[in-house]
Amino acid sequence: GAGVSQSPSNKVTEKGKDVELRCDPISGHTALYWYRQSLGQGLEFLIYFQGNSAPDKSGLPSDRFSAERTGGSVSTLTIQRTQQEDSAVYLCASSLAWRGPGETQYFGPGTRLLVL
Amino acid sequence: EDQVTQSPEALRLQEGESSSLNCSYTVSGLRGLFWYRQDPGKGPEFLFTLYSAGEEKEKERLKATLTKKESFLHITAPKPEDSATYLCAVQGASGTYKYIFGTGTRLKVLA
Repeated sequence: GAGVSQSPSNKVTEKGKDVELRCDPISGHTALYWYRQSLGQGLEFLIYFQGNSAPDKSGLPSDRFSAERTGGSVSTLTIQRTQQEDSAVYLCASSLAWRGPGETQYFGPGTRLLVL
Repeated sequence: EDQVTQSPEALRLQEGESSSLNCSYTVSGLRGLFWYRQDPGKGPEFLFTLYSAGEEKEKERLKATLTKKESFLHITAPKPEDSATYLCAVQGASGTYKYIFGTGTRLKVLA
């Protein structure tokens, strides 16, 4: 496919369980981003990967959140010991990350997480 | 601190009734201002990137403009299929690659 893909589309879990969310960026895009969209709030930056550089984890809300990117492509966002406040839509985006002003980020369809 | 405010929060228009959505921003060194459209249950769909004050871009019934403090998304003769949430985001020099998003404007166009 030509766009960013994410799986699963929806995830329902029980409080305290761990979840893994997957993102496949656009082929050739070296930059990958995770955002969280909560009801009534704007998209919130979580983490950024660029090639083989160390990721920027400054947006992760707690140490229960972690992410990795294998082989410079697919990324997995893991939430451990989920809490009800983690319920949100988790969006992945990718970009070319060329060194010019304002590179455009292209978003996937998101994973809707509901923690019961 | 970089900040984006969108107004109005919600807007209802009759089909053919033109209007504008506002995005006010505060950012240190604007690298880009981005407009996205988001349909319910879907991810944001890219519309426009604006880089400097005075710049304008058009796509079908949409036209985006940029000043040093705000951006407008003008919708001319909207149709029901234009109904969506429109998101504005900025990328500042201090945040480099990070986008700072507004909370969006929910647009409903009635037939």
